[in-house]
Amino acid sequence: DQQVKQNSPSLSVQEGRISILNCDYTNSMFDYFLWYKKYPAEGPTFLISISSIKDKNEDGRFTVFLNKSAKHLSLHIVPSQPGDSAVYFCAASVETSYDKVIFGPGTSLSVIP
Amino acid sequence: EPEVTQTPSHQVTQMGQEVILRCVPISNHLYFYWYRQILGQKVEFLVSFYNNEISEKSEIFDDQFSVERPDGSNFTLKIRSTKLEDSAMYFCASSTGVGDGYTFGSGTRLTVV
Repeated sequence: DQQVKQNSPSLSVQEGRISILNCDYTNSMFDYFLWYKKYPAEGPTFLISISSIKDKNEDGRFTVFLNKSAKHLSLHIVPSQPGDSAVYFCAASVETSYDKVIFGPGTSLSVIP
Repeated sequence: EPEVTQTPSHQVTQMGQEVILRCVPISNHLYFYWYRQILGQKVEFLVSFYNNEISEKSEIFDDQFSVERPDGSNFTLKIRSTKLEDSAMYFCASSTGVGDGYTFGSGTRLTVV
């Protein structure tokens, strides 16, 4: 039962261009969404989050957009840099319950210099 | 910057043996978690721990698994009788529970032979 889906296992983008990573979820109880970045041999690192009361949250080069009606969110990275090359995990939870965050399968982003 | 520390970084064990994976969460965090990632697969939730008890666990977290916070700083995951399919990266995480994302450790690679 995949409650959080990332349908693109990989993505390649030229340096300086926009990277768009997509995520869909099925559980309508989710109201808090997070993006994590993971380098090989390291744990996931929290990047940015968004609550369902918002449709956009921005932090520097990273912007997350949430479309609740479509149960879809996306992470935009502008401009993309080679150091952004990593696996990006979308994750979701019920905000009032911090008991668990459900991760998507991840999208491997390669930023080509 | 505060970090979650996991030891050992790599553990090799024989099938049927018990292993204990150790974690030192961030000191002012209240929620603690174990996740695992089998090679090539997604990050999977195992268990969450709050107020000295398990608050939620997944179907993966069966009777072979247990968690403990023995001394107020360490948070351990014990696997009683390891199986080959327990081979994975095990990530510990902690959070304040106020929606700022988890902080993950760098993981313990468990190899069961």
